[in-house]
Amino acid sequence: DAKTTQPNSMESNEEEPVHLPCNHSTISGTDYIHWYRQLPSQGPEYVIHGLTSNVNNRMASLAIAEDRKSSTLILHRATLRDAAVYYCILRERAGSYQLTFGKGTKLSVIP
Amino acid sequence: GAVVSQHPSWVICKSGTSVKIECRSLDFQATTMFWYRQFPKQSLMLMATSNEGSKATYEQGVEKDKFLINHASLTLSTLTVTSAHPEDSSFYICSASGLHNEQFFGPGTRLTVL
Repeated sequence: DAKTTQPNSMESNEEEPVHLPCNHSTISGTDYIHWYRQLPSQGPEYVIHGLTSNVNNRMASLAIAEDRKSSTLILHRATLRDAAVYYCILRERAGSYQLTFGKGTKLSVIP
Repeated sequence: GAVVSQHPSWVICKSGTSVKIECRSLDFQATTMFWYRQFPKQSLMLMATSNEGSKATYEQGVEKDKFLINHASLTLSTLTVTSAHPEDSSFYICSASGLHNEQFFGPGTRLTVL
């Protein structure tokens, strides 16, 4: 799987937007960009995924650079429940179902 | 959304005993399930891929005779840690793959081996 690079940690104030970056300069044309998050002592939770176009769902937005070498997960209004480790993962469209987790970004939300 | 459960949520056992962890997809059928292990302050590491009706595929460095995986039905996979030792203490997480290749994760099982 192509590798992703994320900052180790980020902080945000409650009710402010958060932009979590991810670099994936070796992404291939068939790789989807997936984001998962893991709250303390829980299993990971799917957040969002995309291929080329920006994506929105009830949890977050995903902004994908035009060259696809980077992407940004956007939480529009951070809450204390959003404090988690966020993982950016590349996954082949027609490849194995498995996910390879990196170290992720630990997001702290300050009340 | 799809729900995956794990049982037990935590277990404490003595060294040398075997522990079985169950992973169930509650409202969908999963032909493929995955088992991960996560040590404190580390990321998830894939241990094995479990396909219904066939033998599991283990990642490099994971002992198949120590971590026995059975996926006998489309909704149940089990991981048995045989002859557990303190170094096997970890957070074990399963996931199940849905129709569109998305993965749904269980809540995890905390194993402590004394």
